Amino acid sequence: GESVGLHLPTLSVQEGDNSIINCAYSNSASDYFIWYKQESGKGPQFIIDIRSNMDKRQGQRVTVLLNKTVKHLSLQIAATQPGDSAVYFCAESLDYKLSFGAGTTVTVRA
Amino acid sequence: SQTIHQWPATLVQPVGSPLSLECTVEGTSNPNLYWYRQAAGRGLQLLFYSVGIGQISSEVPQNLSASRPQDRQFILSSKKLLLSDSGFYLCAWSVGQGDSPLHFGNGTRLTVT
Repeated sequence: GESVGLHLPTLSVQEGDNSIINCAYSNSASDYFIWYKQESGKGPQFIIDIRSNMDKRQGQRVTVLLNKTVKHLSLQIAATQPGDSAVYFCAESLDYKLSFGAGTTVTVRA
Repeated sequence: SQTIHQWPATLVQPVGSPLSLECTVEGTSNPNLYWYRQAAGRGLQLLFYSVGIGQISSEVPQNLSASRPQDRQFILSSKKLLLSDSGFYLCAWSVGQGDSPLHFGNGTRLTVT
């Protein structure tokens, strides 16, 4: 079954605005978390990861926040662009295995 | 650099027919290898993973099996397909002990008719 879930299945964002995608995970023993982007007909593409000993990590236009107290993960995308339209998955890792949530579909409005 | 190859891209098979999907990884040694299935509009379900040649762990009892005949080759098989086996099958690799990202192939869209 799915041990990782997402708060919203869809998100519509105006081009240029910031996007925030949320995720709740269930296993407090998970020690590594990843965000993926999946475009139609393709495999998931790695965006950013974070280990459980951190609470924030920044990449190019993206930031991941981890709150272990409430088992919550978020992905922030700055200045959202049309190319950011896709399905976004969070995933938690434990013992080689990566568990995924159902995904959030992000649509960028021009 | 590392690359992953997965084929075929699409496949239509009748119920009861056998299945063989192949995945190979280049540019890395002793990778961890994974098979996931994704139903339409859903997340990814882990089917099998392997941390070495001949070592296969099954996550979900089902009509499928996996084999790893070579270090960088991972095969997903079935002797007799069911309608419920339809889906998007993804192969992935990683290195280390579960603390590095999985890298996915572009998947095989399987339709069982």
